[in-house]
This record gives sequence, structure tokens and C-alpha cells, in this order.
Amino acid sequence: EPEVTQTPSHQVTQMGQEVILRCVPISNHLYFYWYRQILGQKVEFLVSFYNNEISEKSEIFDDQFSVERPDGSNFTLKIRSTKLEDSAMYFCASSEGGQFTGELFFGEGSRLTVL
Amino acid sequence: EDKVVQSPLSLVVHEGDTVTLNCSYEVTNFRSLLWYKQEKKAPTFLFMLTSSGIEKKSGRLSSILDKKELFSILNITATQTGDSAIYLCAVRALYGKLTFGQGTILTVHP
Repeated sequence: EPEVTQTPSHQVTQMGQEVILRCVPISNHLYFYWYRQILGQKVEFLVSFYNNEISEKSEIFDDQFSVERPDGSNFTLKIRSTKLEDSAMYFCASSEGGQFTGELFFGEGSRLTVL
Repeated sequence: EDKVVQSPLSLVVHEGDTVTLNCSYEVTNFRSLLWYKQEKKAPTFLFMLTSSGIEKKSGRLSSILDKKELFSILNITATQTGDSAIYLCAVRALYGKLTFGQGTILTVHP
């Protein structure tokens, strides 16, 4: 069964460092998303991406964050100058359709720990 | 601001019991409501509901949506220990963004 894959599964970094989280969405999907879940809290939307551009972003997704689809298969989330409060599980998701069709399929997540 | 509220926040039952999980929402540009099960890591998809009054079923799980009253319920009959998980309700708006509720932690004891 096709699945969304994410790497790394866990990353530990020092405050102020840059991290890149990688995702390979399901191959025929056109819409890509990043969500995060701080321990014990709700899953929160960060950004949606379609046709090589951001469709929507939340207020969490400020200039510290960026997304890219560099090679037609990977979808990356870059977090610059990490802060302690960026520690969370980051989920990538993809869907076949956007607003009208298809459920979102989530990857296993990348746990980011900022020390 | 879009809002999704689930109740109860946690529930402890014994195997064989039936449970009903609730989800109410206030969302602009509603498209669909989705239920997910989260065990250790990734939320896994259960149901997507777009129309009122049409029950979706998968084995012992079923769900229904009421777009007039802005809520959905997820029923699990004859619960098993493997049903222990966090059940997430999420509402999908324009561009596919999901707004999640805080989840219901279900614990099923043998």
C-alpha cells in the first residue's frame, strides 16, 4: 500500500541551528502539507502546498519556516534558527485532491528535539 | 477562527462496551469532516464525511455527520483492547487545511 515516508524519524539539534525535514508523498498525490504536534497538544496545521507554491499557511508558519519540492518527489520543511519551542513531532501529509476530494494520508512523523 | 471540540477528552471502558465519541465544529468554508486514529505516531485515516445523515461503516466503527447542528459522532461497538488510542476529529476547509480537535483518549481494559 502506498504511504508517505518521512526522514529522519528523530532529530536532535542545538538551539539556533537549521534543520531540514524530508518527506516523500504518495506518488500520484498533488497536495502536500506539514502539520506539527507539540507533546500533549493538538495537531496543528502549518502549510499546504500545491503546484509548486504555498496554498495556505498558518500564523505559526512565519519567516523561520520554508517549504520546497526540490526534485518532483521530495517535499521538505526547513526550519531556520531553531528555538526550544520548535520541539515537536512534524507530520507530512499528502492528498490526491484538494478541497473536494480525498483524505489526507500522514507520514510517521519526524520528532524534532531542540536543546 | 476555525474551531473543533471533541468530547469526552478521555474514556475508560471494558472490552465489549460500546462507545460514542463526539465532535462539534465551527469552520469557515467547510468541506468535509475526517476521523483519525492515533496510536503511537501518525494519525491513520478512518472516515471522511461530507454529507449529513449518511452513516459510514467499517467493521465495528461507524460515523455520521450533522451539518445543520455542526457535529459528528464516532461509534465503536464491541470494543477491543486494540481500539485503545487517541481518536482525532478534523474538519477540512478550503485548500485542504485540516483543523484538529484535541482528541479523545480511549482506553479499553480487558
